[in-house]
Amino acid sequence: KQEVTQIPAALSVPEGENLVLNCSFTDSAIYNLQWFRQDPGKGLTSLLLIQSSQREQTSGRLNASLDKSSGRSTLYIAASQPGDSATYLCAGRYNNDMRFGAGTRLTVKP
Amino acid sequence: GAVVSQHPSWVICKSGTSVKIECRSLDFQATTMFWYRQFPKQSLMLMATSNEGSKATYEQGVEKDKFLINHASLTLSTLTVTSAHPEDSSFYICSAWATATTIYFGEGSWLTVV
Repeated sequence: KQEVTQIPAALSVPEGENLVLNCSFTDSAIYNLQWFRQDPGKGLTSLLLIQSSQREQTSGRLNASLDKSSGRSTLYIAASQPGDSATYLCAGRYNNDMRFGAGTRLTVKP
Repeated sequence: GAVVSQHPSWVICKSGTSVKIECRSLDFQATTMFWYRQFPKQSLMLMATSNEGSKATYEQGVEKDKFLINHASLTLSTLTVTSAHPEDSSFYICSAWATATTIYFGEGSWLTVV
């Protein structure tokens, strides 16, 4: 069964802190792993996509890593800002569909 | 701007009635679209895969007669919640692959059944 788990479920940090969000998946036969941001009542915004052959991707203050052998991915956010407050979802792509984690709800306090 | 448009964003309907949600790809053709449901503080759960010109593929536990999916064209898929009940109240969202590596999500539809 293809399950995706995210820890922690919620995280609150002061502005300026660096933080790491964790994602684990049970089936390592993923095509890629993607991190999304979801704001309350909104759809999803893609942040980073890591192909199965890659180890990490970077975009601005965000860095995502992928370790297929251990079934883990992390999203590193540097110098967090209040505008980063949102729910972060990771999703593994299997064939044509995607399996999502339950998300980590991040609050960055000014 | 959005490349996958979902409508309506919010809908309230009476118990027992049906409601239709549309998902359109604006700048690309999508032979396959996906419908997800998200309950509060839970993850997105895949409901079904919508295939243009053929029947949708439903995930285990999703009633195909209750959640009717029609993919009539390469740019439009619709989800109809039939005989809606309060427990169907949820956030419904669609997605489509624009390329082999790029997926776009609609902005989602909040359904409240009263």
